[in-house]
Amino acid sequence: DGGITQSPKYLFRKEGQNVTLSCEQNLNHDAMYWYRQDPGQGLRLIYYSQIVNDFQKGDIAEGYSVSREKKESFPLTVTSAQKNPTAFYLCASSLGQGVTYEQYFGPGTRLTVT
Amino acid sequence: DQQVKQNSPSLSVQEGRISILNCDYTNSMFDYFLWYKKYPAEGPTFLISISSIKDKNEDGRFTVFLNKSAKHLSLHIVPSQPGDSAVYFCAASVGNNNDMRFGAGTRLTVKP
Repeated sequence: DGGITQSPKYLFRKEGQNVTLSCEQNLNHDAMYWYRQDPGQGLRLIYYSQIVNDFQKGDIAEGYSVSREKKESFPLTVTSAQKNPTAFYLCASSLGQGVTYEQYFGPGTRLTVT
Repeated sequence: DQQVKQNSPSLSVQEGRISILNCDYTNSMFDYFLWYKKYPAEGPTFLISISSIKDKNEDGRFTVFLNKSAKHLSLHIVPSQPGDSAVYFCAASVGNNNDMRFGAGTRLTVKP
């Protein structure tokens, strides 16, 4: 059955280490997104990609990097330059980039950096 | 700067009654609004949307009302059911752009 998978569900890292969060979709969606959620705040867009080999920065891209080499995969790397990396990260995809295309979300990865 | 605000972090209602979740926004350029529902350990799922050319959109038990002059929208759930217990996020967008701004969410608890 189709959907979005994010792994792992919980991730722990030491400060100063880069870490890559996985996001895979088998919905044949062109657009994919990464969001971050912090307590008491809404989802904030980190990066999005409308098509393979193309991606744009969202509101809070500093300290993050992405790649879109395959349609079904959109991994997010949290670099050591990200000052507050501990958060809940959500990946989403949509058939197209227009707002009327519903975004489907994965279950999320909770990253803890100590 | 939070452009979309959900000022009530939680709401508790009795089964069968109406649930009203509120959302305010500051950017008058927003012209498309959505509500997402999130259960624990799952990603948000789309619930209902409304374009700024309308002031009401209804889908079964769920109705969204938009008041553009007040920059306010609300989600009504009638009748509320225990399975509606979840966190509800309001989101807004400018133009045909999936770059949405989300509120912080309201946790709804429907008591049997």
